Amino acid sequence: AQSVSQHNHHVILSEAASLELGCNYSYGGTVNLFWYVQYPGQHLQLLLKYFSGDPLVKGIKGFEAEFIKSKFSFNLRKPSVQWSDTAEYFCAVNRGTNAGKSTFGDGTTLTVKP
Amino acid sequence: EAEVAQSPRYKITEKSQAVAFWCDPISGHATLYWYRQILGQGPELLVQFQDESVVDDSQLPKDRFSAERLKGVDSTLKIQPAELGDSAMYLCASSLGDPSTDTQYFGPGTRLTVL
Repeated sequence: AQSVSQHNHHVILSEAASLELGCNYSYGGTVNLFWYVQYPGQHLQLLLKYFSGDPLVKGIKGFEAEFIKSKFSFNLRKPSVQWSDTAEYFCAVNRGTNAGKSTFGDGTTLTVKP
Repeated sequence: EAEVAQSPRYKITEKSQAVAFWCDPISGHATLYWYRQILGQGPELLVQFQDESVVDDSQLPKDRFSAERLKGVDSTLKIQPAELGDSAMYLCASSLGDPSTDTQYFGPGTRLTVL
């Protein structure tokens, strides 16, 4: 069974610091990759997704993620975080088969200090 | 902006009681998902519908959980009887068509507490 690992459970940064959140998955075949975000009091929403093509994907609010197939990784980055980026971030993977069933990581809570 | 609706938002019940959750997906979305999210963990898929058909329920505890989407629109998830370990957030999501590539839109969830 596929699994998704987010090694950082809680990250605390000051405003303007750079962010990188790790995501590794276990499946060796073709995958579709997603990052979702949940701001305090809001629903889970899509940040960005990767299916094919350029492995560097840009999403909303200045976030980007890089797919490195050899490392089974899809890390999320932002060059300069803001207080409003305080949220929980989830990485998700599906194989593109198996009815597109997605497996989510356990999430990383990001706290940005003003 | 269209949203996924869920009710109730909160439910407190005693173990061995029956509970039901309702979800209304975004209009026109063929795929509907029910997830369970335990505190400190990511969402875990319980059941996935394509229109009115179940396409994946491999993680649904079928001895106590049931789900239906009779007309391919709204859906109900039921637990009978509820157990202490069922306390969690139950999320509903929907997507337009292809579940492997389409964005999933999540509802606000139902927070279940079993006493």
